[in-house]
Amino acid sequence: DAGITQSPRYKITETGRQVTLMCHQTWSHSYMFWYRQDLGHGLRLIYYSAAADITDKGEVPDGYVVSRSKTENFPLTLESATRSQTSVYFCASSERGNTEAFFGQGTRLTVV
Amino acid sequence: GNSVTQMEGPVTLSEEAFLTINCTYTATGYPSLFWYVQYPGEGLQLLLKATKADDKGSNKGFEATYRKETTSFHLEKGSVQVSDSAVYFCALLHSSASKIIFGSGTRLSIRP
Repeated sequence: DAGITQSPRYKITETGRQVTLMCHQTWSHSYMFWYRQDLGHGLRLIYYSAAADITDKGEVPDGYVVSRSKTENFPLTLESATRSQTSVYFCASSERGNTEAFFGQGTRLTVV
Repeated sequence: GNSVTQMEGPVTLSEEAFLTINCTYTATGYPSLFWYVQYPGEGLQLLLKATKADDKGSNKGFEATYRKETTSFHLEKGSVQVSDSAVYFCALLHSSASKIIFGSGTRLSIRP
């Protein structure tokens, strides 16, 4: 199916563990984004990528790592998870930097 | 810097009531403006957009007009339905920035 998919949808992990959230899009969009959604903060940009092998920090990048070796994939890694990273994570893509973004269904991550 | 401010929720209305959700922005130049909607348990969906001053975006009975003079993009609907219950996000995209900035979201609940 065409679109943008995230996996897993739900994840529980322990403090200190490494966890990777996956994002895959089938549109060949140039831009991809990772946001986190927390009560009272709306959506905050973690990292974004303008093309394969090009990534840049957003508003809240600390504790996260991204890579983009292929246009269609944009995984987000928490190298050593902390409780403050409990959140809902959304991946998004856009055709160009100056067009609307399309969102995945989100990954609910709980760090215990 | 660029920012979006939208009215705090939650907003509770009766079915068939008139809806307004206020949104104002701060940005240089002429950003594109969006309203996204998030239904329970889902990702964000683009509801409508406007890319230049005085443009009116519309979809599913919702409307918003890009007002440069008041830096506003208020969301309106003449007669809401229970199915409109969701969280609504106002957002802007500056052509030079390539990343969307979101407001904090407004939760709307419609009672039968």
